[in-house]
This record gives sequence, C-alpha cells and structure tokens, in this order.
Amino acid sequence: DGGITQSPKYLFRKEGQNVTLSCEQNLNHDAMYWYRQDPGQGLRLIYYSQIVNDFQKGDIAEGYSVSREKKESFPLTVTSAQKNPTAFYLCASRRQGPYGELFFGEGSRLTVL
Amino acid sequence: EDKVVQSPLSLVVHEGDTVTLNCSYEVTNFRSLLWYKQEKKAPTFLFMLTSSGIEKKSGRLSSILDKKELFSILNITATQTGDSAVYLCAVSSGGSNYKLTFGKGTLLTVNP
Repeated sequence: DGGITQSPKYLFRKEGQNVTLSCEQNLNHDAMYWYRQDPGQGLRLIYYSQIVNDFQKGDIAEGYSVSREKKESFPLTVTSAQKNPTAFYLCASRRQGPYGELFFGEGSRLTVL
Repeated sequence: EDKVVQSPLSLVVHEGDTVTLNCSYEVTNFRSLLWYKQEKKAPTFLFMLTSSGIEKKSGRLSSILDKKELFSILNITATQTGDSAVYLCAVSSGGSNYKLTFGKGTLLTVNP
C-alpha cells in the first residue's frame, strides 16, 4: 500500500547528540514537508522540498537540517544547536503544485534527556 | 510572515450540539485552505477549499471559504463523542515553492 513511513516512532537521546529522523514515501509525490508539534502549538513548519536536491527553510528551521537526494526520502537531522528538541515530528508529502491534500506519516516522538 | 489563526482554541459540548470552528488567515499568494482532524497521531484530511462561497460537505461536516474576508468555518452538526479531536486548519501559499502553514488547532471535546 502507498504511504509515508517515519522511523523511529520513539527516540530518546542525550543532550548534545545529533539525531536523524527518517521519512520515506512511495506515493510518487514531489513535495515533502517536516513539521514539529508541541502541545497547544499546532504544526510548525521546519523545512519543505518541492523537488529533489532543493529545499527551503520553514518558520522554525534553526537547529535542524535536511537533505533531498532521492524523491522518496526526506530525512531530518535534529542537531545539538536545537535548544528545545523534545517534540512530536510529522513528515508529510503531496503532489507537486499548490493544491492537493497533505498525506502524513505516523510521526516520531523525540525525547531529549 | 504567513499567519493562520484558529478559534476557539478549545471547546466542550454535549452530544447532539452543533459547533462552528473558525480559521482566519493572512498569507502571501493564497492558493487553498485545508481542514484536518487529528485524534492520536497523524492528521486525517477533511476538506480542501479553493473558491469562495462554495460549501464542501461530508456527512455531518461542512466547510466554506470567504476569500474576501480571509476566513473559513468548519461546521459539525449533531456532534458525537467520536468527533472529539483537534481540528487543524492549514493554508497553502506561495509563488513557486508552496508552503503549508497550520493554525494552532481547536481541541473539541464532545461529552455524552
């Protein structure tokens, strides 16, 4: 079945360590997005990408990095520069262009100890 | 900076009530507005609106967009406990790199 797979679902890390969250889609979508969700904050955009080898910063990109080497994959690295990394991270994709629904993965919950 | 504001932030009703959730926006180069329902983890898609004044309907849920006044409403009639969730509004905008900006969501609790 087509969909978006995020891994891991739960992740614990010590302060100061970089962490990479995986996002893979087999929907043949061009556009992919990373959002962060904190209680009472809705979804905040971290990075997004419309095509391979190109991506843009969202509203809260500081302390995060991404790559888009393949159409299917859009990994997110949470670096040690991110001051408050404990959160729920959602990856999404949709077809190219300004219209169409976002399809979401099941999310990754990162806890920094 | 693009802005999407939802109200109220939370709402408690009894089964059978009708609720109206609001979403207003200020974005550059508006393209479409989307509504999602989030119960546990991944949000699920409800509606996409692109044209003013045209109501989208699915069962007890309906939504309409006013592009002149820059807002949308989501109506739920005859609410059920299964409608309890966070309802998210998102706006698609941009000239070539299309971003989607979400509001903070409305937490709806439907009591029996």
